[in-house]
Amino acid sequence: AQSVAQPEDQVNVAEGNPLTVKCTYSVSGNPYLFWYVQYPNRGLQFLLKYITGDNLVKGSYGFEAEFNKSQTSFHLKKPSALVSDSALYFCAVWTNAGKSTFGDGTTLTVKP
Amino acid sequence: DAGVIQSPRHEVTEMGQEVTLRCKPISGHDYLFWYRQTMMRGLELLIYFNNNVPIDDSGMPEDRFSAKMPNASFSTLKIQPSEPRDSAVYFCASSPWGTDGYTFGSGTRLTVV
Repeated sequence: AQSVAQPEDQVNVAEGNPLTVKCTYSVSGNPYLFWYVQYPNRGLQFLLKYITGDNLVKGSYGFEAEFNKSQTSFHLKKPSALVSDSALYFCAVWTNAGKSTFGDGTTLTVKP
Repeated sequence: DAGVIQSPRHEVTEMGQEVTLRCKPISGHDYLFWYRQTMMRGLELLIYFNNNVPIDDSGMPEDRFSAKMPNASFSTLKIQPSEPRDSAVYFCASSPWGTDGYTFGSGTRLTVV
């Protein structure tokens, strides 16, 4: 079965520092991977996706994600964190059943 | 494009009452998903449709829950009778195809007292 894991419930980082939110996946075949962000009292918003091609994917709000096949990882990164990046982040993998499976989410807190 | 539209935004109801949540997907999106989010259980997929046909309803918790999609522009999620443990935020999402990513609505916060 296709699945993703987000090993950290919470990530804390100081404003201006680089941030990483981790995601590992387990799939049979080629993975289609996604990151979403959820701000308080809002729905999830699509950030970026990896389907094929370059291992470094660029997305919205300055975020990027690095696909690593050997480590089965798809970590979300940003070179310089902003306080406004504080939110709940979800990794997801598309299954060939037509739906995505989401991770449990990681709460990112950026402190000024 | 107004995005995925859900109504109502908030619903407070008494235990035993019927609750109907509504969703208008983005035009042209063939897939529609209903999710429930709680602190305890996180984000749960309840049911999804492809071209108005229910594909997987294995996440629907009980027979009290039902969902319909009578046409490509409208879907409902109904709970009858409602119970306090149904209190959650219910999200609708649509997608042209699974690999395109989802667009989520703003959600309906349901409180059953």
